[in-house]
Amino acid sequence: EAAVTQSPRSKVAVTGGKVTLSCHQTNNHDYMYWYRQDTGHGLRLIHYSYVADSTEKGDIPDGYKASRPSQENFSLILELASLSQTAVYFCASSLGGPSQNTLYFGAGTRLSVL
Amino acid sequence: GDQVEQSPSALSLHEGTGSALRCNFTTTMRAVQWFRKNSRGSLINLFYLASGTKENGRLKSAFDSKERYSTLHIRDAQLEDSGTYFCAAEAGTGGYKVVFGSGTRLLVSP
Repeated sequence: EAAVTQSPRSKVAVTGGKVTLSCHQTNNHDYMYWYRQDTGHGLRLIHYSYVADSTEKGDIPDGYKASRPSQENFSLILELASLSQTAVYFCASSLGGPSQNTLYFGAGTRLSVL
Repeated sequence: GDQVEQSPSALSLHEGTGSALRCNFTTTMRAVQWFRKNSRGSLINLFYLASGTKENGRLKSAFDSKERYSTLHIRDAQLEDSGTYFCAAEAGTGGYKVVFGSGTRLLVSP
């Protein structure tokens, strides 16, 4: 079974502070993603990556940076956290390709910005 | 704007009964995936479909790209089926884009 691990599971941050969310996958998948979940919006894509050392913008990238230092690791970085970034963040991975895009999700990180 | 409309937003079922969740797409989608988010917050993969139907136990899903919809049928609902269900559609156009529905909160009661 595919494994995607997120850390931390929850975090409280102060406005203007820097926050880094980490994701690690042991699936040997090429694609990794960061989503945020807000009530009534489902899950929205922030950034994704299909190869190490490269990231792509998703649907709502403003205020976020991403880093893919290796195939296994994908980080989401909030340089200046804001109240509006309070949400649950999910990392996911997939093997890639139209017929291999089953997404495997981590357990989520609950971020509260105060 | 949103390209996936998921309904209903909330659903209550008694044990042993069944119902269907639906996602309508405003554009042609290449594939769809269904998830269940349980009370712990984990997202569980249920189905991935590029066409046709798939069945797994008491769950069955269908995807019709031409008619722009997907359904998730639950039969003989059990208490542990409670949770929020999401569909996620993969856009059929160039590049990579997956759009999620807003979720269906299912409560199964005795």
